[in-house]
Amino acid sequence: DGGITQSPKYLFRKEGQNVTLSCEQNLNHDAMYWYRQDPGQGLRLIYYSQIVNDFQKGDIAEGYSVSREKKESFPLTVTSAQKNPTAFYLCASSPRGEHYEQYFGPGTRLTVT
Amino acid sequence: AQKVTQAQTEISVVEKEDVTLDCVYETRDTTYYLFWYKQPPSGELVFLIRRNSFDEQNEISGRYSWNFQKSTSSFNFTITASQVVDSAVYFCALRYSGYSTLTFGKGTMLLVSP
Repeated sequence: DGGITQSPKYLFRKEGQNVTLSCEQNLNHDAMYWYRQDPGQGLRLIYYSQIVNDFQKGDIAEGYSVSREKKESFPLTVTSAQKNPTAFYLCASSPRGEHYEQYFGPGTRLTVT
Repeated sequence: AQKVTQAQTEISVVEKEDVTLDCVYETRDTTYYLFWYKQPPSGELVFLIRRNSFDEQNEISGRYSWNFQKSTSSFNFTITASQVVDSAVYFCALRYSGYSTLTFGKGTMLLVSP
């Protein structure tokens, strides 16, 4: 089945450690996105990529990094510089073009203590 | 700057009631796209509808209907005869022409009780 996979569903880390969240899609979409969701805050864009080997910062990129070496994959690294990393992280993809909707993965809930 | 406001943080209804979720947006662009997504307790966002700024025709899909009014910059979502399975957080989002990302509202949590 076509879709977006994010693993793991739940992730626990100690403060000061970097952690990488995976996002894979087999929809043949060019564009991929990472969002962060906090209670009562809606979704905020961290990074996005419209094509392989290219990506742009979103509204809250500080403390995060990404790579886009393959069309299917867009991993997000939460670095120790991110002051408040505990959150629900959602990955999405879409065809290129402003009129397309984004398709979302199931999300990863990261807890840092 | 573009902005999406969902003023209703939480709505509680009893099954079979009709409920309307409000969405008001701000944009200076004449070409833009509006979206509604549903986020059930599992967490994954599910796409419901897309509407472009040149199409003000209202849409109905089963128990769901959407009312787009450019004059008031609103794109409201109505669920008729609500069901317990409709319980979720609903997000309205905006994308303007030439820009690839979405701006989301903060969401409205809908709780439908039996």
